[in-house]
Amino acid sequence: SQTIHQWPATLVQPVGSPLSLECTVEGTSNPNLYWYRQAAGRGLQLLFYSVGIGQISSEVPQNLSASRPQDRQFILSSKKLLLSDSGFYLCAWSVRLSSYEQYFGPGTRLTVT
Amino acid sequence: GQQLNQSPQSMFIQEGEDVSMNCTSSSIFNTWLWYKQDPGEGPVLLIALYKAGELTSNGRLTAQFGITRKDSFLNISASIPSDVGIYFCAGPTNYNNNDMRFGAGTRLTVKP
Repeated sequence: SQTIHQWPATLVQPVGSPLSLECTVEGTSNPNLYWYRQAAGRGLQLLFYSVGIGQISSEVPQNLSASRPQDRQFILSSKKLLLSDSGFYLCAWSVRLSSYEQYFGPGTRLTVT
Repeated sequence: GQQLNQSPQSMFIQEGEDVSMNCTSSSIFNTWLWYKQDPGEGPVLLIALYKAGELTSNGRLTAQFGITRKDSFLNISASIPSDVGIYFCAGPTNYNNNDMRFGAGTRLTVKP
């Protein structure tokens, strides 16, 4: 069966510091991968998605970036965090080309102070 | 852009009651998805709908894809305390299948 991992689970970082969040998927090959951000009490906002290694599409302009160095690894980064980057970051995967059903990881709670 | 509007924003019900919530859009969606999110966790897919008029059940949950393709509803029968959480509708935009839009959610509280 497929599983998706995210770490760290929680993170407190000062403004201006760098960020690296990692997501890995097990039990599937060639997945589509997604990064979402969820503000408190709100819905999910798509940040990036990837349909293959090295292929990144951005949905929202911001100071975040994403990379996909391996088939089942998706990384969310920032060089300098802003207060507004605080939120709950969720990674998701879906089966490429055949399904709109996305499956989410446990999330990372980021607080920028 | 294609936006999803969920109502009600929150619900407080007694254990055993039935629940109904809905999701509407001014644009057509060709797929509707319903997720549940427990506090501090990622959303879990409950039901996926792919055809207009489709009615699909998953245990005590039933969801329908509206005929106009601009709405969907989710019903929960005989609610139990573990139904507590936030329920989201979602759907891919028509111009980019990877661009998934989510509603703001319906927060459900079940009183024992």
